[in-house]
Amino acid sequence: SQQGEEDPQALSIQEGENATMNCSYKTSINNLQWYRQNSGRGLVHLILIRSNEREKHSGRLRVTLDTSKKSSSLLITASRAADTASYFCATDAGTNAGKSTFGDGTTLTVKP
Amino acid sequence: DAMVIQNPRYQVTQFGKPVTLSCSQTLNHNVMYWYQQKSSQAPKLLFHYYDKDFNNEADTPDNFQSRRPNTSFCFLDIRSPGLGDAAMYLCATSGGSTDTQYFGPGTRLTVL
Repeated sequence: SQQGEEDPQALSIQEGENATMNCSYKTSINNLQWYRQNSGRGLVHLILIRSNEREKHSGRLRVTLDTSKKSSSLLITASRAADTASYFCATDAGTNAGKSTFGDGTTLTVKP
Repeated sequence: DAMVIQNPRYQVTQFGKPVTLSCSQTLNHNVMYWYQQKSSQAPKLLFHYYDKDFNNEADTPDNFQSRRPNTSFCFLDIRSPGLGDAAMYLCATSGGSTDTQYFGPGTRLTVL
């Protein structure tokens, strides 16, 4: 089974609202990454957080990591219609160089 | 611009007819990955190369093979495509000092 599980599976919000997506995983990790995928396209890397970090920011994105709970969250503030996409977390256990395991993703719809 | 290129973007093949998908990169990354992604699902790692070392996932069907003739190119060969192999195939690279994966736009495979 996949290492990461994401919650919710789908999220629909109004433009300007904040969106929060959660990722849980099962085993110890070296790092956790969040990716975005527009429909029918490849994945785009958003942010990487290492196991010794608790929070990272990038523009309107904020990622937290709680290794004791084996969970991470991605917060998108002041959402825009262009943020509509699927968001995946990916965990790297460090056992095989660069190999990550992807969660099932959260589909975010931002209504204008 | 440095990038990951996949050709073709759309591929149609017949049941049982061998097909090859290609990926090239200008990032000079030492790791290249092939993922299969079916609709509304997470990308599933098929295999990856660390330089010339091939790493096959345990549950990747024998029907799927890969070649990496040099650093820049990697090929996915599907020897006898079945209807269940219809999916988006994503190539990604990683290397250098980060674990970030850089994805190509994908090849959408249709099996008739």
